[in-house]
Amino acid sequence: LAKTTQPISMDSYEGQEVNITCSHNNIATNDYITWYQQFPSQGPRFIIQGYKTKVTNEVASLFIPADRKSSTLSLPRVSLSDTAVYYCLVGDAGGYNKLIFGAGTRLAVHP
Amino acid sequence: GAVVSQHPSWVICKSGTSVKIECRSLDFQATTMFWYRQFPKQSLMLMATSNEGSKATYEQGVEKDKFLINHASLTLSTLTVTSAHPEDSSFYICSARDVGQGAVGYTFGSGTRLTVV
Repeated sequence: LAKTTQPISMDSYEGQEVNITCSHNNIATNDYITWYQQFPSQGPRFIIQGYKTKVTNEVASLFIPADRKSSTLSLPRVSLSDTAVYYCLVGDAGGYNKLIFGAGTRLAVHP
Repeated sequence: GAVVSQHPSWVICKSGTSVKIECRSLDFQATTMFWYRQFPKQSLMLMATSNEGSKATYEQGVEKDKFLINHASLTLSTLTVTSAHPEDSSFYICSARDVGQGAVGYTFGSGTRLTVV
């Protein structure tokens, strides 16, 4: 399983765009990149997933360069409610692979 | 979307007693479920993989006799913390995968806060 590296913490202000970058130098050909969000005392919640280039949904965008050795989660115009821990995971889409969580990025959004 | 229900959301028990936590996939069948433990300010740590109809697979360092896992049906897995001690106090989270949704199919329960006194 590819190991991921993210910044431990980030600070932002309401209305700003936040970009969280994740490094995954050993990503395999079959691996997808998935981001989860976790609020205190709750289970992680799926945000977005991608394989290459750019993926966008109603919540976030995910940018993946051609070499796929990193990815960037982009949260447009954050609000206080976006304060959470964000995890980047890399894994094979097939089979029953277990999800291994790294340390995650603790995002604090300030008024 | 897929929903995973975890019960109870919190429990307080006395040291030496056992506690059972349930994890149910409500609208899909899950042949595989996962159990995690999370200490304050730390990430989720995978404890074991629960397989329907067979024995669970435990991660290195996790005591299988202390954390009993039963996956009796395609929608239910249980984690029993036996002879609980204060150091077992933690946030326990289950996850199930809806294979029909491919790589995005992992859904997490809301977690169980266990406090052993």
